[in-house]
Amino acid sequence: GAGVSQTPSNKVTEKGKYVELRCDPISGHTALYWYRQSLGQGPEFLIYFQGTGAADDSGLPNDRFFAVRPEGSVSTLKIQRTERGDSAVYLCASSRDASSTDTQYFGPGTRLTVL
Amino acid sequence: GQNIDQPTEMTATEGAIVQINCTYQTSGFNGLFWYQQHAGEAPTFLSYNVLDGLEEKGRFSSFLSRSKGYSYLLLKELQMKDSASYLCAVRYGGSQGNLIFGKGTKLSVKP
Repeated sequence: GAGVSQTPSNKVTEKGKYVELRCDPISGHTALYWYRQSLGQGPEFLIYFQGTGAADDSGLPNDRFFAVRPEGSVSTLKIQRTERGDSAVYLCASSRDASSTDTQYFGPGTRLTVL
Repeated sequence: GQNIDQPTEMTATEGAIVQINCTYQTSGFNGLFWYQQHAGEAPTFLSYNVLDGLEEKGRFSSFLSRSKGYSYLLLKELQMKDSASYLCAVRYGGSQGNLIFGKGTKLSVKP
């Protein structure tokens, strides 16, 4: 596609439920990133993929969070046993590769609300 | 930690010039990005600096001093549509891809 797309745009769930957030990167981009942004804050890094493998998952807050990218394109961020503190906008970005000069292009985000 | 500091809010007048500053820890520095983010929208790329000096791109310019751990974004001929948050982000380390973002500077442009 022309840009990074994310679905759903909004997700409301109840505490304790499981959610999946999807990211479709720019075609041909091998690097994919997940960030989380709370109100009034900058994006906070969660995980990044180079191809199918997670090259750095040091930003995942705990083991309730997991992400996959099985075919090196679409990625899914999975959150188990959601908590109210997980409420945020989850942003996905992609770049051609993970070289130091490469620009990351962001999707519109998924706004997750945990009641 | 790798703190990225920028002012929380700024106000400027339509047609004027505004400078948004960003300071960061220099150890391991490997590039600095500026993004614009309108409320409820995704960050959009504005500029990239990795060497000292000024990068000019139309009404927007970005400056970097690596020795001082300092950058600024300069916006000229301000327009109402420039009201947005401006995010400073730094890449650290060798081949790691992730960016460390500041909290953003909310710019309000008034008539």
